[in-house]
Amino acid sequence: DGGITQSPKYLFRKEGQNVTLSCEQNLNHDAMYWYRQDPGQGLRLIYYSQIVNDFQKGDIAEGYSVSREKKESFPLTVTSAQKNPTAFYLCASSMGSSEQYFGPGTRLTVT
Amino acid sequence: AQKITQTQPGMFVQEKEAVTLDCTYDTSDPSYGLFWYKQPSSGEMIFLIYQGSYDQQNATEGRYSLNFQKARKSANLVISASQLGDSAMYFCAMREAFTGNQFYFGTGTSLTVIP
Repeated sequence: DGGITQSPKYLFRKEGQNVTLSCEQNLNHDAMYWYRQDPGQGLRLIYYSQIVNDFQKGDIAEGYSVSREKKESFPLTVTSAQKNPTAFYLCASSMGSSEQYFGPGTRLTVT
Repeated sequence: AQKITQTQPGMFVQEKEAVTLDCTYDTSDPSYGLFWYKQPSSGEMIFLIYQGSYDQQNATEGRYSLNFQKARKSANLVISASQLGDSAMYFCAMREAFTGNQFYFGTGTSLTVIP
């Protein structure tokens, strides 16, 4: 079935470590996105990519990095520079002017 | 300025009744799309309904309809015959043509359906 996969579902890290969240889609969508969601809050855009090898910063890109080497994959690295990394991270993709399709999300806890 | 405003942090509705979730938006782009998503407690985002800025009729999808009032820049979601499974967070979102593929989300409304 077509869709977006994010792994792992839960991730635990020690403060000061970089961590990479995986996002893969087999929908053949051009655009991919990363959002952060804190408890009781809406979605905030971290990065998005409209085509391979190109990406743009969203509203809260500081402390995060991404790559888009393949159309299907858009991994997000949470660096040690991110002051409050504990959150729920959602990956999404879209094609043209259509709606976004979302993955199941990764809950990251940093202690 | 906020692109999407949802002023109802929480709403309650009796089972089988209808409920309206408010959404207003701000854009100067004549070409845009409006979306509603449902987020159950499990966290996944489920697409519900879409309205294009040039659509003449209000969008409907089963029990969901979108009350689109372009002059007032509002795009309220109406859920008819509420079910217990409708209890979730609901997010309104917008995409503008001139900002490409970027989506803007509201802060969400938590809906609780009471049996």
